[in-house]
Amino acid sequence: DGGITQSPKYLFRKEGQNVTLSCEQNLNHDAMYWYRQDPGQGLRLIYYSQIVNDFQKGDIAEGYSVSREKKESFPLTVTSAQKNPTAFYLCASSIDRGLGTEAFFGQGTRLTVV
Amino acid sequence: QKEVEQDPGPLSVPEGAIVSLNCTYSNSAFQYFMWYRQYSRKGPELLMYTYSSGNKEDGRFTAQVDKSSKYISLFIRDSQPSDSATYLCAMRGEFGNTGKLIFGQGTTLQVKP
Repeated sequence: DGGITQSPKYLFRKEGQNVTLSCEQNLNHDAMYWYRQDPGQGLRLIYYSQIVNDFQKGDIAEGYSVSREKKESFPLTVTSAQKNPTAFYLCASSIDRGLGTEAFFGQGTRLTVV
Repeated sequence: QKEVEQDPGPLSVPEGAIVSLNCTYSNSAFQYFMWYRQYSRKGPELLMYTYSSGNKEDGRFTAQVDKSSKYISLFIRDSQPSDSATYLCAMRGEFGNTGKLIFGQGTTLQVKP
């Protein structure tokens, strides 16, 4: 079955640590995105990539980094510079090279700082 | 002021009721309008997709877009307990920065048996 797979489902980070969230898609989509979801704030765009080896900052990129070495993979690293990383992280992809028309989402990773 | 405003609710209705969910927006460049449904601790799934103004119907769901009022709606007929979820509106424009997909806060809906 085609889809987007995020792992792990739950992740715990200690203060000062970097952690990497995985996102893999087998939909042959060009574009991939990372969003952060906090209670009462909808989804906010962190980074997006429209093509391999290229990516752009979204609205809240500070403290995060990404790479796009393969079409099917778009990992997100939450660095120690991100002061409030506890949130629900969602990865999405779309066939449209525009930013997110008919985006399809993974099941999310819930990150908690301990 | 946020670009997209959506009442977070919660909205509680009895089974069988007609539900109306709404979003207002400020950017007249928005052309594509979407509704996503998100169950607790899951990723959002696309429900409806509309381009420009007009209505679109899919089973019990109807999406309406009124660009003159900058107002979009999602109607759910004969609501079921399985419709209990958070509903997110999303929209984007055609070119450049307005091509970015902007989400509303989401409205939490509970349908009681």
